[in-house]
Amino acid sequence: ILNVEQSPQSLHVQEGDSTNFTCSFPSSNFYALHWYRWETAKSPEALFVMTLNGDEKKKGRISATLNTKEGYSYLYIKGSQPEDSATYLCAFIRRDDKIIFGKGTRLHILP
Amino acid sequence: EAQVTQNPRYLITVTGKKLTVTCSQNMNHEYMSWYRQDPGLGLRQIYYSMNVEVTDKGDVPEGYKVSRKEKRNFPLILESPSPNQTSLYFCASSLSAGGRYNEQFFGPGTRLTVL
Repeated sequence: ILNVEQSPQSLHVQEGDSTNFTCSFPSSNFYALHWYRWETAKSPEALFVMTLNGDEKKKGRISATLNTKEGYSYLYIKGSQPEDSATYLCAFIRRDDKIIFGKGTRLHILP
Repeated sequence: EAQVTQNPRYLITVTGKKLTVTCSQNMNHEYMSWYRQDPGLGLRQIYYSMNVEVTDKGDVPEGYKVSRKEKRNFPLILESPSPNQTSLYFCASSLSAGGRYNEQFFGPGTRLTVL
């Protein structure tokens, strides 16, 4: 993988259901991976900073895992709520300090 | 309040008219970066700065200049704007270089239209 890819591009989830999505990145030249939450008409806000293979981070109902050897990270949302509707971005930080964002997963929570 | 500010928030200009978008942070952050957001393309890094007087090109630096004379400010300069620079621009900062341990804080964005 040469780019940072996120899937799916868009997701509709019923309120109360759990969901997850993926960020794939180059396994070489890895320095860190960030997850951001971006609500419409606002600025991206950080969720997690992940650096070590096997890292697991959790914030409330949202958690993330990291596999640097195979080049992927999963973001999980448990018991989706309307306020979870947003675009979720992952950012791959390279060893030369450049930052490459994925195109995001747009999450819609259905009432 | 800890924040990243950008000015102006909205700008409509014409091709070739030099402009500067300012970015300032009050958190004593070392790392600052500019991004542009275009539909279907995601956030792309234009330039970044590890510290005062240290700047580097990101993925899409053509047509832009930056400077970092003071730690808090990181202006983005478009010497001769063209319509393909119409975009939503974000400035961001983080405590340390590269984001190994620290997340980025984003400004509110600048919507630029070049006619």
